[in-house]
Amino acid sequence: GQQVMQIPQYQHVQEGEDFTTYCNSSTTLSNIQWYKQRPGGHPVFLIQLVKSGEVKKQKRLTFQFGEAKKNSSLHITATQTTDVGTYFCAGPYSWGKLQFGAGTQVVVTP
Amino acid sequence: DAGVTQSPTHLIKTRGQQVTLRCSPISGHKSVSWYQQVLGQGPQFIFQYYEKEERGRGNFPDRFSARQFPNYSSELNVNALLLGDSALYLCASSRTGDTEAFFGQGTRLTVV
Repeated sequence: GQQVMQIPQYQHVQEGEDFTTYCNSSTTLSNIQWYKQRPGGHPVFLIQLVKSGEVKKQKRLTFQFGEAKKNSSLHITATQTTDVGTYFCAGPYSWGKLQFGAGTQVVVTP
Repeated sequence: DAGVTQSPTHLIKTRGQQVTLRCSPISGHKSVSWYQQVLGQGPQFIFQYYEKEERGRGNFPDRFSARQFPNYSSELNVNALLLGDSALYLCASSRTGDTEAFFGQGTRLTVV
């Protein structure tokens, strides 16, 4: 079955630094979605990428969908304490069924 | 507009008991999905309902069942609870099932 893998599992970042988290699927995806879950909270939708090679930006967050539509990345610049949480990528392995990665847990040191 | 609401927020049950979790989707959303999230892992798909019909089922035993009502709200039932069923159960609604999912705050189930 489809597998979605994320690396790294943990990311410790100094406030102000940049970092990137990566997502890889074992199969080609029709789209990739990114979610953020704060500690003790629930996943919150961030963005959906659909086109091969698509790049979207949300303020300090840059999302990219690979040319082969099997991988994606999230790059955060000038990390802030508000960026703390776990970032999940998710791909649909059939209509309506999202396969989530294990997530990248981000810890920010002031 | 209200977001996705789930009840109860917390629940403690004994092994062997049965539990029913409830979810009300965002108004206008016809798709409801259920996920199980164990600490430190990503949400795992359990069920998806669209227009009151089951559209998908994840790799969970038959002890798990669900349904969707005419008003698009949904219930997840788990019978014969095991300790391993302890998790955060998340409900997500979307307009059509293949668009972005909006999650509720979840029900934290503890089985003792």
